[in-house]
Parts: sequence; C-alpha cells; structure tokens
Amino acid sequence: GAVVSQHPSWVICKSGTSVKIECRSLDFQATTMFWYRQFPKQSLMLMATSNEGSKATYEQGVEKDKFLINHASLTLSTLTVTSAHPEDSSFYICSARDVTTNEKLFFGSGTQLSVL
Amino acid sequence: SQKIEQNSEALNIQEGKTATLTCNYTNYSPAYLQWYRQDPGRGPVFLLLIRENEKEKRKERLKVTFDTTLKQSLFHITASQPADSATYLCALAPSSNTGKLIFGQGTTLQVKP
Repeated sequence: GAVVSQHPSWVICKSGTSVKIECRSLDFQATTMFWYRQFPKQSLMLMATSNEGSKATYEQGVEKDKFLINHASLTLSTLTVTSAHPEDSSFYICSARDVTTNEKLFFGSGTQLSVL
Repeated sequence: SQKIEQNSEALNIQEGKTATLTCNYTNYSPAYLQWYRQDPGRGPVFLLLIRENEKEKRKERLKVTFDTTLKQSLFHITASQPADSATYLCALAPSSNTGKLIFGQGTTLQVKP
C-alpha cells in the first residue's frame, strides 16, 4: 500500500525557535496533502490543506504566519512551526491523498513536538 | 452546529466477542464516511470506506453500517482479538467539500484475553 513518511518522529526545542516537519509520499504522487494537529485523547484537527504548486488553505483559527506550509513537489510537503511556544506542543500528523484512489488518506507516523 | 461524535469512554470487551463502536453526526451531509485505526503515538491507518448510498460494507472481520436517516455509522469487529486493541476514528467527507475529512475524537477499544 501507499506509504507516507514523516520526519522527525519527535522533536524537543526551545521556545522561540522554529521547527520544520517533512512529509513525503514514497510511492505515489500526492497533489494534495493535509496537516493535522492532535492533542492527547482528542480528535485530529485539520490545520491546513496543502496543494502542490500553490498556497496552502488554512482552517479558521490557524495562523498562516505561524504555521508555514510549503508543497513544492508532488511528493513533499513541509510544515514549519515558527517561533514555537509551549502551547504549540502537540502531535502533528500529515496525510496525503493518492490521486488514483482519491478518497482514502494515507497518514504519516506523526511528529511529537515539545517546546520547552 | 456541526458535530461528529464518538463515545469517548473506552470500550472493554472479552476476546472473541464482537465490538461495536458508534459514530453519530449532526448537521452534515456526508458524501462518504471512513473508519481508521490509530495506535498510540502513530498516525491513523485506513480501514473501511462507506458511501452515502451504501448500507453496509465488510472486510474480513470488520463491518461498517451507515444509516443516513439516523445519521449514524456503526463499526463492528467480530471475533475480537487483543491485537485489535487501539483507538478507532470515524471521519466524514462533507458533500459540500469532499476534499476534506472531519474526524471524530475516537473510541479506545481494549480487548482482554
């Protein structure tokens, strides 16, 4: 089946620094990737939809200048958490839609971000 | 307001029994509904998809039903095994925007040997 690789799996950083998370579709092309955030025992909250070659679409309440998304190729999207603060600590998960199957999403393994 | 709700309480069952998980939604018109499995510290894994015009879908020991009148989907695991212990998420794609998936908060299933 399709594989989505997300890196790093976990990161600890100091408050005020920026963190980049990569999401790659390994064996398929993903014109659309999604970035989710998940707090313990809570639902996945969609942050933004990333389209290859165009600007990301952010959900209401998500700061686009805080969470920078780049989708420069059909197999790579990145999320950069800029000037991270402790409240940004969360589990971030990317997912990608295979253009051939269209409906189901393939998820990365997630990134646990801890901001000190 | 729009909501998608799953039972937040953990479901504990004995090995070999059938587990039934519920997903209810309000003020959505889903084009389809999906179920995912999520293990701790991992991303969700797709299990089944059921469309608005389908009543039931099966895959091995899994069965999903979809009742658009009740606005509910049920997810069944028959002959449950300890390895089935995980959190199960339902997600729907609104007809107005099938490009998005809206997730419920998940129900944790614990299967005891």
